Amino acid sequence: TQLLEQSPQFLSIQEGENLTVYCNSSSVFSSLQWYRQEPGEGPVLLVTVVTGGEVKKLKRLTFQFGDARKDSSLHITAAQPGDTGLYLCAGARSGGGADGLTFGKGTHLIIQP
Amino acid sequence: DAGITQSPRHKVTETGTPVTLRCHQTENHRYMYWYRQDPGHGLRLIHYSYGVKDTDKGEVSDGYSVSRSKTEDFLLTLESATSSQTSVYFCAIRGLQYTGELFFGEGSRLTVL
Repeated sequence: TQLLEQSPQFLSIQEGENLTVYCNSSSVFSSLQWYRQEPGEGPVLLVTVVTGGEVKKLKRLTFQFGDARKDSSLHITAAQPGDTGLYLCAGARSGGGADGLTFGKGTHLIIQP
Repeated sequence: DAGITQSPRHKVTETGTPVTLRCHQTENHRYMYWYRQDPGHGLRLIHYSYGVKDTDKGEVSDGYSVSRSKTEDFLLTLESATSSQTSVYFCAIRGLQYTGELFFGEGSRLTVL
């Protein structure tokens, strides 16, 4: 079983601070995705990274895929209360994830005003 | 909006009773998935389908069966519900990109007493 370890599990910070969430594995993934989930709703895709070393930016969020395609990070600059939620990383094996994605357990993020 | 509808959204049942959850999509996508989400475990794949009448097991398939008689509907059945199957169940469809992005329904919360 391919595992994705996310850290930290819980993070509570003040508005305006920066933070980084990590997603690590001993396995190689063909692509890695980040999702955000709010209470009572399904996860929503934020970004997909495919190439080792790739960096993608989505406003104040920066996503990076490790050179060996085994790990990824999500960095949020100047966090806002609207960033509060559960952040999930998910990896696709070869075949583009047709047999499903492997998910990390998630990082619960709380941004306090 | 990915056009995925899950029903029922909430259900309380007793141990030993059969339960069927329905996932309906309007996107005509080939791949559909059932995940369960539990505290401390994250999202885990139960079963998936790669076409009408074509299904396969996921990581936690014991105690569950699925059926897909038409493209738009994917049913998850618990033949005899147990308390360990209390969970939030998410249906997802795979996007058209080769990287396997998933689009989730809003979830079905099942409580087995």
